[in-house]
Amino acid sequence: DAKTTQPTSMDCAEGRAANLPCNHSTISGNEYVYWYRQIHSQGPQYIIHGLKNNETNEMASLIITEDRKSSTLILPHATLRDTAVYYCIVSGANFGNEKLTFGTGTRLTIIP
Amino acid sequence: NAGVTQTPKFQVLKTGQSMTLQCAQDMNHEYMSWYRQDPGMGLRLIHYSVGAGITDQGEVPNGYNVSRSTTEDFPLRLLSAAPSQTSVYFCASSFGRRNQPQHFGDGTRLSIL
Repeated sequence: DAKTTQPTSMDCAEGRAANLPCNHSTISGNEYVYWYRQIHSQGPQYIIHGLKNNETNEMASLIITEDRKSSTLILPHATLRDTAVYYCIVSGANFGNEKLTFGTGTRLTIIP
Repeated sequence: NAGVTQTPKFQVLKTGQSMTLQCAQDMNHEYMSWYRQDPGMGLRLIHYSVGAGITDQGEVPNGYNVSRSTTEDFPLRLLSAAPSQTSVYFCASSFGRRNQPQHFGDGTRLSIL
């Protein structure tokens, strides 16, 4: 399974875009990049996922580099409610959710 | 839709007691799983199920049993509680096993004295 590397913590000013990086240099061609977040010990919440192309939904945008070795999650207008731990996870097309590995993620703090 | 519902939200047990953590989902999801999360750590998979009647072990299965008699329910049983099982337990479900986002419950906070 491809491993991911994320910064331990980040701060972002309220109202600004929060850009969370993730390195997955050993990712293979059929592995997806998933992002989840966990707000104050609640259950993790799915945000977005992608394979090659950039993706956008109502919560965030996901930018995957052309070589797919890294990605960035973008929260376009961060609010205080976006303070959470964000997990970047790589998941293969040939195995299931039982292979997902939730590391320690990035603790994002939104500053008023 | 209620999503994934876990009960109880909090529980305190004595060493050696047994109990069942309940998990139910109303989204007709085939895949369900149980995780534990210890302080400052990520989630670790305990057991999972790809459909009614089918279960398998995850990363940390010892001390826990599961069964899946219906699509909706996936209870987790602690056979003889130990202090090392003090943790927050999360149940999750997804439409399928592959390339499907998981939906998580709010967790059960369990303390073993």
